Amino acid sequence: AQSVSQHNHHVILSEAASLELGCNYSYGGTVNLFWYVQYPGQHLQLLLKYFSGDPLVKGIKGFEAEFIKSKFSFNLRKPSVQWSDTAEYFCAVNKNAGGTSYGKLTFGQGTILTVHP
Amino acid sequence: EPEVTQTPSHQVTQMGQEVILRCVPISNHLYFYWYRQILGQKVEFLVSFYNNEISEKSEIFDDQFSVERPDGSNFTLKIRSTKLEDSAMYFCASRVTWGYTFGSGTRLTVV
Repeated sequence: AQSVSQHNHHVILSEAASLELGCNYSYGGTVNLFWYVQYPGQHLQLLLKYFSGDPLVKGIKGFEAEFIKSKFSFNLRKPSVQWSDTAEYFCAVNKNAGGTSYGKLTFGQGTILTVHP
Repeated sequence: EPEVTQTPSHQVTQMGQEVILRCVPISNHLYFYWYRQILGQKVEFLVSFYNNEISEKSEIFDDQFSVERPDGSNFTLKIRSTKLEDSAMYFCASRVTWGYTFGSGTRLTVV
């Protein structure tokens, strides 16, 4: 069974600081990788995803993530955070079945990001 | 942009009572899911539903839980006899291919 680990429970940054949130997964097969964001009181929104191809993926709101297969990692980055990025961030994985998404998502514990103006 | 709608947003119930959480998935989606998040813990998979039957369920999804798609639009999660430990945020999700869309959740509080 797959599992996902996010290293940081709570990250506090000032505006304009750079962000990197760690995510490692455990699974023997091919996976799809996702980062979701949850703003206070709102639903989970997809930031970006990786299925195959270029391991550096760009998402919405200036976020990007790099898939490093040898490290089983999919870290989320943003060069300069804003106060509006304050939210909880979730890394997730599911099986890749022939280049498509398959089945349930397995989530990490989530990382709360607080950005001070 | 199409949305997954969940009702109610917050429900308080007494231990032992039955609750039904409701979801309206996106109309052309084929796969439906329930997840839950106990406060301070991971988002956990409960069950997936496809072609009018459960396709996968977790060990959490025991006999106290059931899901139903009673008509063409609603997707419900029923908990027959709630326990204190069922208190959590419950998320519905649906997808057609890769793109999961989540609802904003129902916060269930069992007292």
